[in-house]
Amino acid sequence: AQTVTQSQPEMSVQEAETVTLSCTYDTSESDYYLFWYKQPPSRQMILVIRQEAYKQQNATENRFSVNFQKAAKSFSLKISDSQLGDAAMYFCAYTDSGGYQKVTFGIGTKLQVIP
Amino acid sequence: EPEVTQTPSHQVTQMGQEVILRCVPISNHLYFYWYRQILGQKVEFLVSFYNNEISEKSEIFDDQFSVERPDGSNFTLKIRSTKLEDSAMYFCASSERRGPNQPQHFGDGTRLSIL
Repeated sequence: AQTVTQSQPEMSVQEAETVTLSCTYDTSESDYYLFWYKQPPSRQMILVIRQEAYKQQNATENRFSVNFQKAAKSFSLKISDSQLGDAAMYFCAYTDSGGYQKVTFGIGTKLQVIP
Repeated sequence: EPEVTQTPSHQVTQMGQEVILRCVPISNHLYFYWYRQILGQKVEFLVSFYNNEISEKSEIFDDQFSVERPDGSNFTLKIRSTKLEDSAMYFCASSERRGPNQPQHFGDGTRLSIL
């Protein structure tokens, strides 16, 4: 079974600084997708960034980028120039390329942004 | 931007009672999902639904649970006889097509409290 592990329950970062959230996963599949979701206090989960396992290039989305290490099964999220609106729970997630897109989530990392 | 909407935002129910959680997926989406998040734990997949039938379900989704798309817009999760351990945040999600490159759009969630 696939598992997703986030070992940092809480993180904090000064506004305008950079922070990296860690995630590791375990799978026997070779083709899969990884995601970071953001869940602000308003509760709706929003997709931040997505990485396809067969792509070696790390995904970037404005101030958000990932460091995808397939051999190490590591998928960290870097947030540059942190803003107050980045404060949220961040969930690392995984899905196979087959099936009906069941998403497996990590337990989440609560990010606090300090003004 | 279209959103997945869930009602109610908070439901309080006596143990043993039936509860129905409602979701309105994005209108052109064809795949629907329910997840739950027990306080302090991971978001867990419950069930996926397509073409008026269950596509995949987890071991959590036992005979007490059922899903239905009673009309062209609503997607419901019914818990037949609630237990204390059913207390959780329940998230509905939808996607336009099948496949991990089709992002799931999540609703705000319904907080279910069983007394």
